[in-house]
Formats: sequence, structure tokens, C-alpha cells
Amino acid sequence: DTAVSQTPKYLVTQMGNDKSIKCEQNLGHDTMYWYKQDSKKFLKIMFSYNNKELIINETVPNRFSPKSPDKAHLNLHINSLELGDSAVYFCASSWSRRETQYFGPGTRLLVL
Amino acid sequence: AQKVTQAQTEISVVEKEDVTLDCVYETRDTTYYLFWYKQPPSGELVFLIRRNSFDEQNEISGRYSWNFQKSTSSFNFTITASQVVDSAVYFCALSGGRDDKIIFGKGTRLHILP
Repeated sequence: DTAVSQTPKYLVTQMGNDKSIKCEQNLGHDTMYWYKQDSKKFLKIMFSYNNKELIINETVPNRFSPKSPDKAHLNLHINSLELGDSAVYFCASSWSRRETQYFGPGTRLLVL
Repeated sequence: AQKVTQAQTEISVVEKEDVTLDCVYETRDTTYYLFWYKQPPSGELVFLIRRNSFDEQNEISGRYSWNFQKSTSSFNFTITASQVVDSAVYFCALSGGRDDKIIFGKGTRLHILP
């Protein structure tokens, strides 16, 4: 009965590969997000979707592509992985952009 | 532009001491929201509190309390009688503006020593 879940929890891959991270929420929320947390713990929003529609798209390389098949899912696909992509990626959801965001457990990505 | 400053990078206190984590924010919006999140060593982000800009009442939840002062643009967090389990990184955050994006502070790492 996890509220916001992400898979996988850990991802170790080689530079140049393509990988996806999946996120699902069972809270009935309309808005979902992807955040990146770097090694210094700095949290920055990457994308936000509201009812499957992209509403926030920060300055993120276009190698990162979010996809929302329905309002309960927001996946993140990363092409041509680079060393600098190593980070923890958090998915979150909320009723609306002003409401509290609830976070998934994070996906620890390590690019070798 | 919106900004959240957590000037204390790292704090260490001995168990049972009280500790206050500072948060100062900048915004031009009249309607905005402030948050605190906790990130324990296990890594998850745990929501603690949300406060809107029109509600300056202080909040107490067990050993946790929050002091919101619009006059100084601060939203400080106090842990009373700290415990080792309080050891974590604490993030203050602000949302508002046209897209209601959340901006996080850089976090304060709190060590509670036994």
C-alpha cells in the first residue's frame, strides 16, 4: 500500500546506455514530479505533469524525457547516460501544484 | 525570483538539547506556501509541515515546533529535547509564483550525538 513507488531502487549502468525509471502513485493525485538530488543533497525539480500534461520543464538536457501514460504514472527515460547524471532521482505527487508533495523512495543512479 | 536560504549547513547537538534550524525565504508573491521535509540517513523524503502565507500562527507537533514570521521572512523549525532519531538532513521549501514550483533550500544536516 505504498503511496508513491519507484522502480528500480538502484540502477548501475555504463555511460552511453539508455535507461528508464518508473513511478506510480496510488493517492489519486493529479500532479506528479521528477526531482534530481545531487551528491551535495541539492534538490532540484526537473519536470511536472498535471493530468498527463507537462506543466513544468526545467532546463534539463533533452536526453531526459518524461512520459505520463496516465495520471497515476510518470516515467523518466534517459538517453545516452553521462557520468554527471549520477544522482538520486525522486518522484513525487500532489493534489495540485500548491498542495503538499509526497515523495517516492528515490532511485539511486550510478553511471560508470 | 524566489529563494530559500538555510544558512546552517551542519549542526551537532547532544541528545536532549533543543535545536533550531533556520530558514529564510525571498518571494514577491503575496500567496505562497512554506514546507519542511526531513531526509533521514535511509534517504526518503518525509513531509513535516506546510504553512500558507496567510497563516502566521506557530505550530507545535510533539517535540517539533515551527515559527513563521513574515516580518523577517523566516520559517524556523525547533526540535525540543532532541533524540538520536532526529538525525537527518532537513529541507525548508517555498512554493509560489506563476507556476507554483517548489524551491528547496540546500538543507541542514543535523547530528544528534548520544
